[in-house]
Amino acid sequence: GAVVSQHPSRVICKSGTSVKIECRSLDFQATTMFWYRQFPKQSLMLMATSNEGSKATYEQGVEKDKFLINHASLTLSTLTVTSAHPEDSSFYICSARDPKGTAYEQYFGPGTRLTVT
Amino acid sequence: GENVEQHPSTLSVQEGDSAVIKCTYSDSASNYFPWYKQELGKRPQLIIDIRSNVGEKKDQRIAVTLNKTAKHFSLHITETQPEDSAVYFCAASGPGNTPLVFGKGTRLSVIA
Repeated sequence: GAVVSQHPSRVICKSGTSVKIECRSLDFQATTMFWYRQFPKQSLMLMATSNEGSKATYEQGVEKDKFLINHASLTLSTLTVTSAHPEDSSFYICSARDPKGTAYEQYFGPGTRLTVT
Repeated sequence: GENVEQHPSTLSVQEGDSAVIKCTYSDSASNYFPWYKQELGKRPQLIIDIRSNVGEKKDQRIAVTLNKTAKHFSLHITETQPEDSAVYFCAASGPGNTPLVFGKGTRLSVIA
């Protein structure tokens, strides 16, 4: 199947700093990528839909000025957590569909564990 | 928007028994229903999926059924093994580049 990578896999940052997470589709081009957040023992919650060449679409309750999404190319979307606080500590996962595939299955990145101290 | 409900939240079965997890969805436009297994700290792993033009799909010990009229779908695992112990999520999505909406998950424990 298609491969999606994320970097970094783990990051620890201090409160008030910003952290950038990269999501790459390695063997396909993705016009759309999705960003999810998962708190411990909870489900994956959609944060935003990242669209190549246009603004991201954020879910209700997700602050667009805090979670900056840039989808600058067909293989890269970035999520920047600005002015991070301990409550932003979570598991962030991106996903994308391979347009050459079934057009249904989503391929997930390995996730990024963010810890804000 | 879509809302997916999943039950039960926890499930314990004896090794060799069957496990059933049920989900309901709200948006009749949804047409893709995958099931994921997630190990702690790892990405969700697709174990089986079904599209709205199919009522049932089976892959070895795993099967999924879909009732579009009632808007519910179920995961069936037969002959459970300890390595089936994990958290399972159902999800639903619509056509095109629409995101997945996940259920809250079921923690399955298979007792040897």
